[in-house]
Amino acid sequence: SAVISQKPSRDICQRGTSLTIQCQVDSQVTMMFWYRQQPGQSLTLIATANQGSEATYESGFVIDKFPISRPNLTFSTLTVSNMSPEDSSIYLCSGRLAASYEQYFGPGTRLTVT
Amino acid sequence: AQSVTQLDSQVPVFEEAPVELRCNYSSSVSVYLFWYVQYPNQGLQLLLKYLSGSTLVKGINGFEAEFNKSQTSFHLRKPSVHISDTAEYFCAVSESQGAQKLVFGQGTRLTINP
Repeated sequence: SAVISQKPSRDICQRGTSLTIQCQVDSQVTMMFWYRQQPGQSLTLIATANQGSEATYESGFVIDKFPISRPNLTFSTLTVSNMSPEDSSIYLCSGRLAASYEQYFGPGTRLTVT
Repeated sequence: AQSVTQLDSQVPVFEEAPVELRCNYSSSVSVYLFWYVQYPNQGLQLLLKYLSGSTLVKGINGFEAEFNKSQTSFHLRKPSVHISDTAEYFCAVSESQGAQKLVFGQGTRLTINP
């Protein structure tokens, strides 16, 4: 299994600012993903974080708004840029171990934009 | 592309009663199926998964699920629930090949009443 931690656990930010969320895994994972969970809703995949190259974004999500880095196999960051109240959500990262079909999730970062 | 439909948004059940949470999926390719649980203010925890083989899979906390290919369903069951099972439950599907990104259903809120 893998244990995933995220920082910060929550934050309240002002409109127009940016927040960077960190995700740390205790094992080397082949795949890392970032999800958004809007209030009372399900999870939507934002992007796949690729080690050493640009992330792969899902439809409706763009790099300028959600830049992602993954410098090594155990760490990734997601930045929410130029925030608006519509960005208020829980952001979760996940990782999948090599030769495993299970994704492990971090506890999430609860973001409120005022 | 895959999609997941969880047929019940909320399921209230009395303690020690049985419960079934329904999940149907749609996909043109072979899939893997998962159930995750999200307790209040926490991340997602994997309950069980179906990859291949026996269509009845057992998971943690006394839950089990049955894969029915002809009905494209993967319903979650527990014979006797406890107050501590109160949580949000998500069904998810991924392709068995390729990036294996998870697609989630809308979630079912299970409420256990004493």
